[in-house]
Amino acid sequence: QSVLTQPPSASATPGQRVTISCSGSSSNIGSYHAFWYQQLPGRAPKLLIYNNNQRPSGVPDRFSGSKSGTSASLAISGLRSEDEADYYCAAWDDSLRGPVFGGGSKLTVL
Amino acid sequence: EVQLVESGGGLVQPGGSLRVSCAASGFTFSSYWMHWVRQAPGKGLVWVSRINSDGSSTSYVDSVKGRFTISRDNAKNTLYLQMNSLRAEDTAVYYCAREGLGGGFDPWGQGTLVTVSS
Repeated sequence: QSVLTQPPSASATPGQRVTISCSGSSSNIGSYHAFWYQQLPGRAPKLLIYNNNQRPSGVPDRFSGSKSGTSASLAISGLRSEDEADYYCAAWDDSLRGPVFGGGSKLTVL
Repeated sequence: EVQLVESGGGLVQPGGSLRVSCAASGFTFSSYWMHWVRQAPGKGLVWVSRINSDGSSTSYVDSVKGRFTISRDNAKNTLYLQMNSLRAEDTAVYYCAREGLGGGFDPWGQGTLVTVSS
């Protein structure tokens, strides 16, 4: 059971927009920045969003993040087949005194 | 190019020890905090440990406290994770990651597989 709760799966067709949610608490997302990571099949994770809504250089603007209260969301617009991956949210957690990850959401592009 | 390359994974018996390494290049290693994150087969990501830039401060997830030790050699641009008293539940791919933008992990190494089994 992960501290941050994500839906196990999401799906959409190419060109559509999909949103993945991440629910936390006052000890993590409610007090700290949220991060999102993309893990392509068989690959290492890659930072996708930092500080709730900032994109590292090279990440397409099709990817966007937001945060409200104790929840965060990742939105992907103009979905492409290469976006098929596992997506993880993360945040610092006061109770655990370390970073925590969500359980991951597997995105399928139909 | 900023790069992290892990090595040292393998098969070890329960109760055994293993040290994995992470060689850094393309950036000033001594300026960054570093982390280890693991991923059990078919499972999600779990943060394991972190070390500050000069190695004077470390922290661990509760499940590895007292068994794992993170360290670094800034002269060799290398991060280490010494794992003792290994258990089957420690079986995972171990990734090293640099703490960068806003505290996010970027980049990550390619990972090294540690299998604990008799």
